[in-house]
Amino acid sequence: AQKITQTQPGMFVQEKEAVTLDCTYDTSDPSYGLFWYKQPSSGEMIFLIYQGSYDQQNATEGRYSLNFQKARKSANLVISASQLGDSAMYFCAMREGYNNAGNMLTFGGGTRLMVKP
Amino acid sequence: EAQVTQNPRYLITVTGKKLTVTCSQNMNHEYMSWYRQDPGLGLRQIYYSMNVEVTDKGDVPEGYKVSRKEKRNFPLILESPSPNQTSLYFCASRQGYGGYTFGSGTRLTVV
Repeated sequence: AQKITQTQPGMFVQEKEAVTLDCTYDTSDPSYGLFWYKQPSSGEMIFLIYQGSYDQQNATEGRYSLNFQKARKSANLVISASQLGDSAMYFCAMREGYNNAGNMLTFGGGTRLMVKP
Repeated sequence: EAQVTQNPRYLITVTGKKLTVTCSQNMNHEYMSWYRQDPGLGLRQIYYSMNVEVTDKGDVPEGYKVSRKEKRNFPLILESPSPNQTSLYFCASRQGYGGYTFGSGTRLTVV
């Protein structure tokens, strides 16, 4: 079974509007971390935001926030006030466990976001 | 500036010719890892290292070797590259519970 599922292969959003990118995950480990990365056309992977499974509050980083719904196993990324530079691929990823064994990031298939002027 | 540096950024090579992709981080991170990214398959972990002289296989280790002789360096070695190793490769490092910091990627083509 897929551990990380991103159901939106591609999305359009109007500049200055907010957009939500969906991510659901599957794990039986009570300790895990969820991440979002941005990959622009130049290819690099840029870390955006992190949510730990025991964190009580949803993570926020500037225009990025993570809508963490633990019972539903979802970790959606919300980008407020979209900018043209937000056009990129976005990957949701999970790391299970907090000890050395939990070292691997498992990635979803990604969502391509296109911001329209 | 805190960063992970990979070299080269682009490489075209021939089948069977040994190559090394270098990776260096300046953040004193303990954990380092190599991933490959392929269309339709996403990012998959090749090898990871928990510290100096401690390495382990990821999901797709066949055809690759790594070493961790110093904390800052984690080279990826392809002893006998084949066309199915044509891919975009990322080195990454992390410390503690945080996310990985990725290098800029190495686009490898094996002909």
